[in-house]
Amino acid sequence: QKEVEQNSGPLSVPEGAIASLNCTYSDRGSQSFFWYRQYSGKSPELIMSIYSNGDKEDGRFTAQLNKASQYVSLLIRDSQPSDSATYLCAVPGWSGYSTLTFGKGTMLLVSP
Amino acid sequence: NAGVTQTPKFQVLKTGQSMTLQCAQDMNHNSMYWYRQDPGMGLRLIYYSASEGTTDKGEVPNGYNVSRLNKREFSLRLESAAPSQTSVYFCASTDAQGFNQPQHFGDGTRLSIL
Repeated sequence: QKEVEQNSGPLSVPEGAIASLNCTYSDRGSQSFFWYRQYSGKSPELIMSIYSNGDKEDGRFTAQLNKASQYVSLLIRDSQPSDSATYLCAVPGWSGYSTLTFGKGTMLLVSP
Repeated sequence: NAGVTQTPKFQVLKTGQSMTLQCAQDMNHNSMYWYRQDPGMGLRLIYYSASEGTTDKGEVPNGYNVSRLNKREFSLRLESAAPSQTSVYFCASTDAQGFNQPQHFGDGTRLSIL
């Protein structure tokens, strides 16, 4: 059973700060990694995909992947109150047919 | 842009009743999924359909059945609802049968079983 671990939080940061969210995974063979954002009462929304070691930047978001250490992180620069949400990490699941295994998510709270 | 559409959005059932949750996607995706999300448990895969004509069990299939009606539609049926099936149900889809593809989610169905 593939496992994806995230700190449940909440992670509290002030507005304008950098929020750092971390995720570890058990399967060394995982090739793709996804970050989803989920606002309370809403559905998960894809915000980042990363496939190669290193950093991938998209606006205020940076995903960092280290396959040797089996972790993937998400940095949010200049955090805004509107970034307050639960962030889900996902890696390919156990079946091989585009299934994903999701972490339980980290709740981020950005205070004005 | 509709994306993934789920109906109904809310439903209250009595124990033992049956119902079908509907999901349709307009992105021409091959693969479709049903998840449930419970507090503290995260998203758990119930059933999935890698392509039209195929369905497979996920992590928590007991008490559910699915039908891949055509490429667009994938329904989830509760034959005899139980309070333990009170949850938020999400349908998702993706455009590949292999690895490395993200999934796109519908807005969810909030289901309460009394």
